[in-house]
Amino acid sequence: EPEVTQTPSHQVTQMGQEVILRCVPISNHLYFYWYRQILGQKVEFLVSFYNNEISEKSEIFDDQFSVERPDGSNFTLKIRSTKLEDSAMYFCASRWAVNTEAFFGQGTRLTVV
Amino acid sequence: GQQVMQIPQYQHVQEGEDFTTYCNSSTTLSNIQWYKQRPGGHPVFLIQLVKSGEVKKQKRLTFQFGEAKKNSSLHITATQTTDVGTYFCAAFDRGSTLGRLYFGRGTQLTVWP
Repeated sequence: EPEVTQTPSHQVTQMGQEVILRCVPISNHLYFYWYRQILGQKVEFLVSFYNNEISEKSEIFDDQFSVERPDGSNFTLKIRSTKLEDSAMYFCASRWAVNTEAFFGQGTRLTVV
Repeated sequence: GQQVMQIPQYQHVQEGEDFTTYCNSSTTLSNIQWYKQRPGGHPVFLIQLVKSGEVKKQKRLTFQFGEAKKNSSLHITATQTTDVGTYFCAAFDRGSTLGRLYFGRGTQLTVWP
């Protein structure tokens, strides 16, 4: 069964450092998303991406965040200068159509120290 | 933005007992999806409900969408240890063009053997 893959599975970084979280969505999917989940809390939307541009972003997705789809397969989330409160599990998701199920990757656990 | 309230937050049952989680919104939902997240895992799509009053079944799981499309429930009959996890409802943001999802807080189900 096709799946969304994310790397790394766990990233530890020092406050103020830049991190790049990587995702390979399912190949025929057109819509891409990043969500995050702080430990024990609900899943929160960060950003959606379609046709090589950001479609929507939440209030969490400030200037420190950016997304890219550099090569037609990878979909990356960059946090320019990490803060302690960025520690969370980050999930990439993709869909082939807007009103269908979202396929989530296994997640990257980001720990900022 | 869209808010979905989900209760209870935790449910502990003995294997064989039934389980129900409820999701409520103050506004009419276009549709609602349900996801399951195993401990340490990622959200996995279970079902999507679209029509008013819709009822869908998957083996021991029964999903309902209220007549007013403001509430939904997931009922598991005769729970098994494999049902352990957190069950999330997720509502589509009506104003979103790319199907942004608002997740409820989830109900964490523990099943004792």
